[in-house]
Amino acid sequence: AQKITQTQPGMFVQEKEAVTLDCTYDTSDPSYGLFWYKQPSSGEMIFLIYQGSYDQQNATEGRYSLNFQKARKSANLVISASQLGDSAMYFCAMRSPPTGANNLFFGTGTRLTVIP
Amino acid sequence: NAGVTQTPKFRILKIGQSMTLQCTQDMNHNYMYWYRQDPGMGLKLIYYSVGAGITDKGEVPNGYNVSRSTTEDFPLRLELAAPSQTSVYFCASSYRDEGGHEQYFGPGTRLTVT
Repeated sequence: AQKITQTQPGMFVQEKEAVTLDCTYDTSDPSYGLFWYKQPSSGEMIFLIYQGSYDQQNATEGRYSLNFQKARKSANLVISASQLGDSAMYFCAMRSPPTGANNLFFGTGTRLTVIP
Repeated sequence: NAGVTQTPKFRILKIGQSMTLQCTQDMNHNYMYWYRQDPGMGLKLIYYSVGAGITDKGEVPNGYNVSRSTTEDFPLRLELAAPSQTSVYFCASSYRDEGGHEQYFGPGTRLTVT
């Protein structure tokens, strides 16, 4: 069965520092996709970054990068140069199998607080 | 583009009442979804639709119904509300259901059943 695990309920980071949010996953499908979403206090879910299981390089989007370690089944989100506006809940999600409308599974989230 | 819009933003229901949560998207996406988010939990899929006239159950469909008469609209109906349905409800849409095609989410509806 597919499973997404985020073991850090809360994280703190100093402004301008980098932070890593952990995500591990489990699936028997050889092909899958991994997503990170941000949920600020206003409530909406904002897509940040995507990594396909066959992508050779780690995904990057601006200050966000995904540290993908396939053998360890981990897909950690790295936020560089943290800003106060980065304070939010962050959800890791996995699409497995790679197609199908009912196969996006979410972790329980990590609450990130950026300290000025 | 407004993206995905949901109404209402907040609602309090009494046990046994019914209501419809509205969801509209203006991106011409075929795929639409309803999720619920319970405190301290990730999102769980209630129902989804792959196009107008086609709907199917997700992980937690009991107590809910949906319809998809147009590409734009995907309302969620709660019949006989129960306290267990207290949650935040998100509607989402996507262009495709594969690869890196992300889902676009609405702002959510916070529902309390007392």
